[in-house]
Amino acid sequence: NAGVTQTPKFQVLKTGQSMTLQCAQDMNHEYMSWYRQDPGMGLRLIHYSVGAGITDQGEVPNGYNVSRSTTEDFPLRLLSAAPSQTSVYFCASSPGTGSYGYTFGSGTRLTVV
Amino acid sequence: AQSVTQPDIHITVSEGASLELRCNYSYGATPYLFWYVQSPGQGLQLLLKYFSGDTLVQGIKGFEAEFKRSQSSFNLRKPSVHWSDAAEYFCAVGAIGYGGSQGNLIFGKGTKLSVKP
Repeated sequence: NAGVTQTPKFQVLKTGQSMTLQCAQDMNHEYMSWYRQDPGMGLRLIHYSVGAGITDQGEVPNGYNVSRSTTEDFPLRLLSAAPSQTSVYFCASSPGTGSYGYTFGSGTRLTVV
Repeated sequence: AQSVTQPDIHITVSEGASLELRCNYSYGATPYLFWYVQSPGQGLQLLLKYFSGDTLVQGIKGFEAEFKRSQSSFNLRKPSVHWSDAAEYFCAVGAIGYGGSQGNLIFGKGTKLSVKP
């Protein structure tokens, strides 16, 4: 049971490039989300999904796209990378909403130069 | 709007001493409350959670937290800190209705714990 798997672990992009951060979970969780973590800012919600085919925006969605074609996968796309998107990105999943709490991936450290 | 405040950015305690990390929340109803721990370079691990019942909850690694509705607080405690407890700790509240969906967590900004030998 791998839990939540994020790839890659590290990435350097040039300004304007696009890329996809991958997230996969093998726990059959309905709920998945993406957070970014910046020093002194805690974790901020980018996008989330309550099930396959359903996504919605969080607190800081600009510059990011998501899709959820399967229960297992929830990729995060950076459309045109900017230095402000330099951050550590975490994917999380949960059996449902409310009281379950999340299982987190180990993160992707992204640097945009 | 829902919010979580962790007043202490950085705390240093001696190994073997007791620990209390503070968390205050703003929420219109009974919240779901969580504490997570993050070791350097790692993801977040759930320490404990509260959503109903006994207001004193036990978690992993010897941690406990107490929900005090009158103070809107959910402080994390440990009677005797070990060097391996050095990490960053995040309090989170379950925000029903946030962003149009249930269950999105709002996180505090974290408290970094250092442990002196």
